[in-house]
Amino acid sequence: NAGVTQTPKFRVLKTGQSMTLLCAQDMNHEYMYWYRQDPGMGLRLIHYSVGEGTTAKGEVPDGYNVSRLKKQNFLLGLESAAPSQTSVYFCASMSSGSMAQYFGPGTRLTVL
Amino acid sequence: AQSVTQLDSHVSVSEGTPVLLRCNYSSSYSPSLFWYVQHPNKGLQLLLKYTSAATLVKGINGFEAEFKKSETSFHLTKPSAHMSDAAEYFCVVSDAEFDFGNEKLTFGTGTRLTIIP
Repeated sequence: NAGVTQTPKFRVLKTGQSMTLLCAQDMNHEYMYWYRQDPGMGLRLIHYSVGEGTTAKGEVPDGYNVSRLKKQNFLLGLESAAPSQTSVYFCASMSSGSMAQYFGPGTRLTVL
Repeated sequence: AQSVTQLDSHVSVSEGTPVLLRCNYSSSYSPSLFWYVQHPNKGLQLLLKYTSAATLVKGINGFEAEFKKSETSFHLTKPSAHMSDAAEYFCVVSDAEFDFGNEKLTFGTGTRLTIIP
């Protein structure tokens, strides 16, 4: 049981490039979330999904898109990366019967 | 609107002495409260959660927290610090006003705990 996994672990992009971050969970959780973590700011919610085929905006959605085509996967896309998107990105999932989210190990993204 | 304030950005204690990490929250409804721990270059791990059951909540690794509604606090404590406790700790609040599954977790800015040998 791997829990929540994230791919890749590290990435360096140039301004304007695009990329997709993959989150996968094997716990059959209904709900999935993408956060970014910046120094001194805790974690902020980017987008979330309450089920396969559904997504919604969080606190800081601008510049990001997401898709949840399969229950176990939640993709975060950056269409045109900007230096302000340099951050550590965390994915989380949660069961409908729980109040606790389980986090992946994170992806460290640097945009030059 | 919900918010959480971690009163100390950095706490240092000697190994074997008690740990106190302070957290105050603001919530319009009955909140759920959590403490997460993040070790260097790792993801977040749930330490404990309060969801309107017992006000004293016991978590993993000997940590516990007490929900005090009158003081709007949810401080994290441990009787005796261990070197492995050195990490960043986040207090988190989730309001019950949202539909289940749509909860927005609001994170504090974190407290870095250093253990002095």
